[in-house]
Amino acid sequence: GQQLNQSPQSMFIQEGEDVSMNCTSSSIFNTWLWYKQDPGEGPVLLIALYKAGELTSNGRLTAQFGITRKDSFLNISASIPSDVGIYFCAGQPHTGTASKLTFGTGTRLQVTL
Amino acid sequence: NAGVTQTPKFRVLKTGQSMTLLCAQDMNHEYMYWYRQDPGMGLRLIHYSVGEGTTAKGEVPDGYNVSRLKKQNFLLGLESAAPSQTSVYFCASSYGGVTNEKLFFGSGTQLSVL
Repeated sequence: GQQLNQSPQSMFIQEGEDVSMNCTSSSIFNTWLWYKQDPGEGPVLLIALYKAGELTSNGRLTAQFGITRKDSFLNISASIPSDVGIYFCAGQPHTGTASKLTFGTGTRLQVTL
Repeated sequence: NAGVTQTPKFRVLKTGQSMTLLCAQDMNHEYMYWYRQDPGMGLRLIHYSVGEGTTAKGEVPDGYNVSRLKKQNFLLGLESAAPSQTSVYFCASSYGGVTNEKLFFGSGTQLSVL
């Protein structure tokens, strides 16, 4: 099956820094999702995007649906220690087809004080 | 405020043994899913269900069976475990209809097959 490429694979940043990560696909998606997974837990939905070009925020997190429909971006501003975890993107080709969700390989974020 | 509950949290099996993982959700969700998570890979769908009494194959169904006898429960079975099935297994659920992409995940089961 198809995999989404996430970049970077991992990153070490200092508290207070901004973070950017992205997700690219060879296929077009109608929906992009961003999840965060804390150590030892399951992924939790952060942001859902439904239109090309859409920019959506959730607190210090901002995600964008790429205009080509083949990519998405997640930014975290002013990182804090609890931002540590693995961030996954997921793409869905058609509305209402969660069984067709494709997940990225994840970006592991480490925050140093 | 349970959400999606998976049991057990950890399990070690010998090759050829069988086991069942239990997933329970208390959100009255129509859809339920079983994923596996392996290092360096995204979550991969094993089986899913769009309602009580229904099941369907996902991307990697071989070696697994599922049942959804009650709306709130989704069971994943391994009839004859193999080392390749060593993984972290996640159950998820979602509402039916157009918002079914918003998955709610359990905390996972770490399975090791020796």
